Amino acid sequence: EVQLVESGGGLVQPGGSLRLSCAASGFTFSDHYMDWVRQAPGKGLEWVGRTRNKANSYTTEYAASVKGRFTISRDDSKNSLYLQMNSLKTEDTAVYYCHAGPDDYWGQGTLVTVSS
Amino acid sequence: DIQMTQSPSSLSASVGDRVTITCQASQDISNYLNWYQQKPGKAPKLLIYDASNLETGVPSRFSGSGSGTDFTFTISSLQPEDIATYYCQQYDNLLTFGQGTRLEIK
Repeated sequence: EVQLVESGGGLVQPGGSLRLSCAASGFTFSDHYMDWVRQAPGKGLEWVGRTRNKANSYTTEYAASVKGRFTISRDDSKNSLYLQMNSLKTEDTAVYYCHAGPDDYWGQGTLVTVSS
Repeated sequence: DIQMTQSPSSLSASVGDRVTITCQASQDISNYLNWYQQKPGKAPKLLIYDASNLETGVPSRFSGSGSGTDFTFTISSLQPEDIATYYCQQYDNLLTFGQGTRLEIK
């Protein structure tokens, strides 16, 4: 059974940092590109960024709204994806989902709340 | 960046009605388009991939069409369990989602 399990969400103050993790199982993690997608409360889905697989040199891409503040990484030996979030803003408050492509696997999401 | 314009933003229909949602891409994306259903507190669920292909296990009342820049998603006969928010998504270049269509029962 395919599973993506996010963790690491919580309450953080503006300007703070948080690291999200996504543990994958049930599929060949190393073959897939991996995305982070977020959803602010009551809002739509927003793509955050991507890390490609080894065959594509693990290159990363980011949405303009997070570029320079967020960093995506992966550890294929641990079947894990990470999102390091720095300089957090109140508008980063959202449920963060990990997504595996192109097979379209989704995690259940983890809530990040940025508030003082 | 590719922009996706989805309409309407909300829709109220009766059980049994035919429901149509449209999505327009800011540039040609061929057929690299998905349609998702999302219910509160849940991750998006893929219904249609490659613009017109029904995902395994999805009821046949759901369908999609289009290519290039203009796409349509249809529910042929609305059921109570279809109440959800629907999103289009392009994957020709990274990912971009439409704004979503909130579907309610009249």
